[in-house]
Amino acid sequence: SQQGEEDPQALSIQEGENATMNCSYKTSINNLQWYRQNSGRGLVHLILIRSNEREKHSGRLRVTLDTSKKSSSLLITASRAADTASYFCATEVGDYKLSFGAGTTVTVRA
Amino acid sequence: NAGVTQTPKFQVLKTGQSMTLQCAQDMNHEYMSWYRQDPGMGLRLIHYSVGAGITDQGEVPNGYNVSRSTTEDFPLRLLSAAPSQTSVYFCASSILTSGRARTGELFFGEGSRLTVL
Repeated sequence: SQQGEEDPQALSIQEGENATMNCSYKTSINNLQWYRQNSGRGLVHLILIRSNEREKHSGRLRVTLDTSKKSSSLLITASRAADTASYFCATEVGDYKLSFGAGTTVTVRA
Repeated sequence: NAGVTQTPKFQVLKTGQSMTLQCAQDMNHEYMSWYRQDPGMGLRLIHYSVGAGITDQGEVPNGYNVSRSTTEDFPLRLLSAAPSQTSVYFCASSILTSGRARTGELFFGEGSRLTVL
């Protein structure tokens, strides 16, 4: 079964707005990763946050982690058309098994 | 850099046929894995390997076989294709870490789209 669940399933925003999506997971984790998938392409790693970190930034991305609530959020600031994609969170469930959620589909309107 | 290369990109099979999806990586990664992606279900782990000669099952291994004879290659075999195996298949690789989290950032191929009639 899947460890992570993203929310919302889909998100439509205007270019320049911020996009926020959430990931909830079930068991304790060592780290949590976020990936992006453009239509018809493979997944691309965005950011990894360790269980002892609360917030991490990478360019226009900000990830937070709340281990007490078993949740993480991904914020994309000043969105662009190129940010249109599906976003997935992933956590390790048992050794060597990375489990992905069903993803949030983000559409950025021009 | 080639990264992770998957072939073929598209394949149509008839029920009962067998085939092999190829995956090769040139990053000297110890860890390699196969996922399938179905609409609304995210990615599900089929099989994985932590080095040459070592493979193990993931979440949905039935109907699939793997082997790892070299560090670079990790082929996925469909033994007798069924319509339920219609999916997009992704191969991914990673370094292994010595910390509590075993796998690092996954590098994905572009996917192999399989249709079983």
